[in-house]
Amino acid sequence: KAGVTQTPRYLIKTRGQQVTLSCSPISGHRSVSWYQQTPGQGLQFLFEYFSETQRNKGNFPGRFSGRQFSNSRSEMNVSTLELGDSALYLCASSLAPGKETQYFGPGTRLLVL
Amino acid sequence: SQQGEEDPQALSIQEGENATMNCSYKTSINNLQWYRQNSGRGLVHLILIRSNEREKHSGRLRVTLDTSKKSSSLLITASRAADTASYFCATDAGDNAGNMLTFGGGTRLMVKP
Repeated sequence: KAGVTQTPRYLIKTRGQQVTLSCSPISGHRSVSWYQQTPGQGLQFLFEYFSETQRNKGNFPGRFSGRQFSNSRSEMNVSTLELGDSALYLCASSLAPGKETQYFGPGTRLLVL
Repeated sequence: SQQGEEDPQALSIQEGENATMNCSYKTSINNLQWYRQNSGRGLVHLILIRSNEREKHSGRLRVTLDTSKKSSSLLITASRAADTASYFCATDAGDNAGNMLTFGGGTRLMVKP
């Protein structure tokens, strides 16, 4: 099976712009979660989707949003980018929420100038 | 906020030696997972141990879990240069948390050839 794929892999934006990141889960996986990784804060949970519904959301401002489509693919959007949004954004998929192994994609590295 | 604390933060050993990393967490869990990350890439899942398990093996990996002490350890035996990476423990937050994982700060392992 193909693994979790994320596009784009690298992205450079300027402050104030918005960005959309995409994640395609492993075939058959219906749960998708997003994480942000920075040197200062480490790995932090952003949100989780299952069956097109957001189940959990981390402690991030409303500028961070996401959605999941009927084919389980997910997108996350960050509006009005700030320098501090520069990070590696990781997507993980699993068969279903809770008690399941989560498999991570390679990540999208976002640089905000 | 990070639930897990890992120690040591960095570990340098010679090829062939064993490496032990420890993780502590704060709340009740269903599972604890260990991941490896090479140079800011995606996370590779190593092993999942459930709260009712005490020890688990996978190849050269041995994971223990002590829920009374809220701690886990990852042992890599007969280490290789290719094991050089950052290692993270991740916990869920119990039955209502879905797939939301909380990560420790990680241990940076360097295996010298």
